[in-house]
Amino acid sequence: AQTVTQSQPEMSVQEAETVTLSCTYDTSESDYYLFWYKQPPSRQMILVIRQEAYKQQNATENRFSVNFQKAAKSFSLKISDSQLGDAAMYFCAWRTQGGSEKLVFGKGTKLTVNP
Amino acid sequence: AAGVIQSPRHLIKEKRETATLKCYPIPRHDTVYWYQQGPGQDPQFLISFYEKMQSDKGSIPDRFSAQQFSDYHSELNMSSLELGDSALYFCASSRTRGGSYNEQFFGPGTRLTVL
Repeated sequence: AQTVTQSQPEMSVQEAETVTLSCTYDTSESDYYLFWYKQPPSRQMILVIRQEAYKQQNATENRFSVNFQKAAKSFSLKISDSQLGDAAMYFCAWRTQGGSEKLVFGKGTKLTVNP
Repeated sequence: AAGVIQSPRHLIKEKRETATLKCYPIPRHDTVYWYQQGPGQDPQFLISFYEKMQSDKGSIPDRFSAQQFSDYHSELNMSSLELGDSALYFCASSRTRGGSYNEQFFGPGTRLTVL
């Protein structure tokens, strides 16, 4: 079974600084997607960024970028110029590219942004 | 843009009662997913439907059942409620296009409290 591991239950960063959240996963499949979701206090699940496993280029979305290391099964999220609104739970998630589209989530990392 | 609608947003039930959660997907979305997020936990996949047929099943208790109707809305029926069923229940929807990535859009969730 696929598993997603987030080894940092909590992280903190100063406003305007950069922070990296870690995620590792285990799968025997070669084609899949990886995601980072943000869950603010409202509990709404918001997609931050997506990476296709077949793409070597790391995905970026404005201040958010990933470091995808397929061989190491590592998928970290870098948040640059952190803002107070970035404070939230961040979940790493995995999904196969074919067949079931269910998302498998990690346990989450709570990010605090200090002013 | 229209989003996924879930009702009710909050629900309080007693042990052994039944509950029905409703999900209205984004227009033209044909696939619905249900996730359960316990307090301080990551979301866990319960069940999904594509074109009114069950497409995948996760760790859904036998006390729970779900279906997707002709208008693509879905209902999650929960019977003999237990204290451990207290959680945030997310519905997500997507539009299935063969060979393409189908993003899941999450609803705001229904918070179920079992007393």
